[in-house]
Amino acid sequence: DAKTTQPTSMDCAEGRAANLPCNHSTISGNEYVYWYRQIHSQGPQYIIHGLKNNETNEMASLIITEDRKSSTLILPHATLRDTAVYYCIVRVFDTDKLIFGTGTRLQVFP
Amino acid sequence: NAGVTQTPKFRVLKTGQSMTLLCAQDMNHEYMYWYRQDPGMGLRLIHYSVGEGTTAKGEVPDGYNVSRLKKQNFLLGLESAAPSQTSVYFCASSYRNEQYFGPGTRLTVT
Repeated sequence: DAKTTQPTSMDCAEGRAANLPCNHSTISGNEYVYWYRQIHSQGPQYIIHGLKNNETNEMASLIITEDRKSSTLILPHATLRDTAVYYCIVRVFDTDKLIFGTGTRLQVFP
Repeated sequence: NAGVTQTPKFRVLKTGQSMTLLCAQDMNHEYMYWYRQDPGMGLRLIHYSVGEGTTAKGEVPDGYNVSRLKKQNFLLGLESAAPSQTSVYFCASSYRNEQYFGPGTRLTVT
């Protein structure tokens, strides 16, 4: 079973920041938080991952709370092409499995 | 680089027929995976491989077999297809942090 809880859907205006929350209250000390997204029916795409520090790359920022029980993915300037299902996944680093939940469907509107 | 490719893209089978789905990657990745995705759900891991000649079961392995005779290829077989195996099948390969997904195979079993 997925170890994360995400809202089913969210809306965001184009150009605004999209903040996608994720709860992972049972996360273990050696488990990382990963984010993937799936646009329409394509294969999922890696976005970002982190352990306990905040992370940023060219796509997004990941904010992890100090107790590591929740995190937020931030798309700083959402575009229509960011409309997708976003999956938050807890994974032991360098192991073999991703356990996907049902994700958050983000709709970016003009 | 082609990345991860899957063959075929679409297939319709009758109950009881067999088929093999081919996944190929040109990134020299050790790890490869097969997932299925049913409507409105996240991906579920069927089988995976941590290297040439190795395979292991994922969350939903029943009714499927796999083989990894060459590092770049990972085959998923259905010996006797059932309607419950109607799904979209995604292959992925990985190196450390990131899994790279193929475009998917849409399989319908009637």
